[in-house]
Amino acid sequence: IQLTQSPSSLSASVGDRVTITCRASQGISSYLAWYQQKPGKAPKLLIYAASTLQSGVPSRFSGSGSGTDFTLTISSLQPEDFATYYCQQFNSNPWTFGQGTKVEIK
Amino acid sequence: EVQLLESGGGLEQPGGTLRLSCAASGFTFSTYGMNWVRQAPGKGLEWVSGISGGGSAPYYADSVKGRFTISRDNSKNMLYLQMNSLRTDDTAIYYCAKKLGPGFYGLDYWGQGTLVTVSS
Repeated sequence: IQLTQSPSSLSASVGDRVTITCRASQGISSYLAWYQQKPGKAPKLLIYAASTLQSGVPSRFSGSGSGTDFTLTISSLQPEDFATYYCQQFNSNPWTFGQGTKVEIK
Repeated sequence: EVQLLESGGGLEQPGGTLRLSCAASGFTFSTYGMNWVRQAPGKGLEWVSGISGGGSAPYYADSVKGRFTISRDNSKNMLYLQMNSLRTDDTAIYYCAKKLGPGFYGLDYWGQGTLVTVSS
């Protein structure tokens, strides 16, 4: 299963609402997770089951979707949110990742 | 506190072998599936392999199938990745990652990674 994220990168300002899309090449129900990765660091789980917020993750992050189309939304971008975001599907092996979306400061 | 500590990376020649280890602590290791994920320099994440809590049903990415073997020793809280027939495109940081509990899908804890460089 291929996951295609869009956009590949974006520039945004603090306080902006940001939406990242992940499209699967076939239906994956809700078996999707989102991660945040900062340079030189391991990824951090943000959301699993497409829309369940991982413990400790700020509520400005939210996820939605099922089947083939999913979104990660940051309601009000904070300075610490500038990072690269990845989706990953768990519907079938291999558990593939999207190519990533880099969120940069405008 | 959950901790995952990878070791075993280094420089190896094409065609060589390496064995990565991941020492786990802070949780009941045998209950959770474990995974290896890699990241080539400047590139995105690639899931490599996963194994269930009991050690059955290992899975592999097509890019490593037949060359890499995942295993675990629940008595020692250790995860391993045996890497044979290494290729230059195996060069990456290798992370071990713990899966959420049974019935839930996501990788909630990650190690700091170990760098594998395959070069002549």
